[in-house]
Amino acid sequence: GDSVTQMEGPVTLSEEAFLTINCTYTATGYPSLFWYVQYPGEGLQLLLKATKADDKGSNKGFEATYRKETTSFHLEKGSVQVSDSAVYFCALISTGNQFYFGTGTSLTVIP
Amino acid sequence: NAGVMQNPRHLVRRRGQEARLRCSPMKGHSHVYWYRQLPEEGLKFMVYLQKENIIDESGMPKERFSAEFPKEGPSILRIQQVVRGDSAAYFCASSPRQGRTGELFFGEGSRLTVL
Repeated sequence: GDSVTQMEGPVTLSEEAFLTINCTYTATGYPSLFWYVQYPGEGLQLLLKATKADDKGSNKGFEATYRKETTSFHLEKGSVQVSDSAVYFCALISTGNQFYFGTGTSLTVIP
Repeated sequence: NAGVMQNPRHLVRRRGQEARLRCSPMKGHSHVYWYRQLPEEGLKFMVYLQKENIIDESGMPKERFSAEFPKEGPSILRIQQVVRGDSAAYFCASSPRQGRTGELFFGEGSRLTVL
């Protein structure tokens, strides 16, 4: 069945460091891919998305490229800030209109 | 333009009581999803509903749990005879349409504590 696997955390970085959170997927057909962010005590918010192969989603300095050949959608940011501390979820929507989420990666950015 | 509204935000129940969690989707959204998040764990899909129909309940325990999304009013997730293991955050999300490009809009969650 369809699934998402993302790198386990927690991840701790210093401010201005480079961030990569790995995400790979398994799916039949051609899913759309998403990154969601969850700040403490809140629900999930869409961070970025890509709907077809080679698309790049970007928002707030974060980027992720839909790589069909490696079935990956890794999240990157060139210079993290303390305010980026949150839990990040990779997700896909299958052809059955069902969303699948990864287990989440907790990021802490220290000044 | 209100987002997805969930209530109550916090709910405390004793073992054996019932818990009712409500979710009002965004205006114009007819697809509702419920997820459970246990401490230090990811999101676990429970059920997917459209107005008056359960589309996929494969993630919902067969006993004690039920969900509905009536023609009028919010979606309800009902947990009967709660046990300590039901303590979790329950998130509702809505989507305006079917299709692989649709995104989910989440509420802020209902946090259930079972004493």
